[in-house]
Amino acid sequence: RKEVEQDPGPFNVPEGATVAFNCTYSNSASQSFFWYRQDCRKEPKLLMSVYSSGNEDGRFTAQLNRASQYISLLIRDSKLSDSATYLCVVNILALEYGNKLVFGAGTILRVKS
Amino acid sequence: NAGVMQNPRHLVRRRGQEARLRCSPMKGHSHVYWYRQLPEEGLKFMVYLQKENIIDESGMPKERFSAEFPKEGPSILRIQQVVRGDSAAYFCASSPGITINYNSPLHFGNGTRLTVT
Repeated sequence: RKEVEQDPGPFNVPEGATVAFNCTYSNSASQSFFWYRQDCRKEPKLLMSVYSSGNEDGRFTAQLNRASQYISLLIRDSKLSDSATYLCVVNILALEYGNKLVFGAGTILRVKS
Repeated sequence: NAGVMQNPRHLVRRRGQEARLRCSPMKGHSHVYWYRQLPEEGLKFMVYLQKENIIDESGMPKERFSAEFPKEGPSILRIQQVVRGDSAAYFCASSPGITINYNSPLHFGNGTRLTVT
């Protein structure tokens, strides 16, 4: 089983739609959680952190369910510029190594006019 | 305040040659991570280094790949006797310390695209 699993998509949605991505992780020692965005094979860029209480940043809402080991990202009022690959990222803390970020394979979003 | 700098941006090597990829971390950062992204795949962890130390190399192929982060100068990812399957984007990220959290997430360089012909 992969450490971080995401639906690869693609999700094809019209402008203005609401779309949600899910991610599951297998390691209960995971400490912190992030969503990164990657455009056209460029470097991943931090989109937002994911807090236990859930958090919102403009049109983006992230949720974490530690009991189910599940993370979600909700995008409201989709824009063409939201088209990208969204990477679910889990930080696993190993006592001997410190931190290791494990990336999901990504979910492709295509927003169409 | 420059971010993580990687060079070269693009590197073309023939099979059997050596590839050297460089990563200069953000100012004040002493921890470096290397990731590889094969075509149509996600990022895969390769190695985590601190100055003069390899902390975790669990993602490094057993042969031909090595990494270093000397006291002075950039971190180097070295691939000897490259094969076509090494063609990928190699990303570097840095952090100021051992902890990655919400206040100190990882930021990536713009990557080196290696093409083996």
